[in-house]
Amino acid sequence: GAGVSQSPSNKVTEKGKDVELRCDPISGHTALYWYRQSLGQGLEFLIYFQGNSAPDKSGLPSDRFSAERTGGSVSTLTIQRTQQEDSAVYLCASSLVWRGGQETQYFGPGTRLLVL
Amino acid sequence: TQLLEQSPQFLSIQEGENLTVYCNSSSVFSSLQWYRQEPGEGPVLLVTVVTGGEVKKLKRLTFQFGDARKDSSLHITAAQPGDTGLYLCAGLPGSHTDKLIFGTGTRLQVFP
Repeated sequence: GAGVSQSPSNKVTEKGKDVELRCDPISGHTALYWYRQSLGQGLEFLIYFQGNSAPDKSGLPSDRFSAERTGGSVSTLTIQRTQQEDSAVYLCASSLVWRGGQETQYFGPGTRLLVL
Repeated sequence: TQLLEQSPQFLSIQEGENLTVYCNSSSVFSSLQWYRQEPGEGPVLLVTVVTGGEVKKLKRLTFQFGDARKDSSLHITAAQPGDTGLYLCAGLPGSHTDKLIFGTGTRLQVFP
């Protein structure tokens, strides 16, 4: 079956512009996560959706970042008024119903964002 | 803030050599995972360890969770060029959270 897909794969934008990043999780997965990865580094948690529960937004770095998940499936991460420090790879992951944190998260290939 | 420090940060070795990557924290984790990430792709889960002192083997890879569940190690025997990649450890701070805390990463390069 299809894995997690993300689009676009690469995005170059100018400072101050808004960008939207899309994630299509694996069908049937109720949990969806967004992470940010700076060049060659570990992953920084951004936001988490689980079913119909309110999302956990505790990792969003500023109010310029927001995310939504429509119909419990596709998710969009929006960055408003982009800054150069927003340049990174944005990774999306999905997993089945949460079982005490031991389920596998499946990652998409990421969107590489470059803010000039 | 709970942190996971990995060492070494970079490792370049010849094919056939053995290596160990360490993942350390001052905090306790309910479980710990190891991922491998190749360029242009997302991380792929290798293993999950949940019990202090647990050892898991995956072919030439051996994973160990520390007795106090604060640290972990990944040992690769007879490394191959296909092992090249970024290795990430990730821990769950408690059983009632699903927010993984990722380590700083170890970039491994295995030369033929």
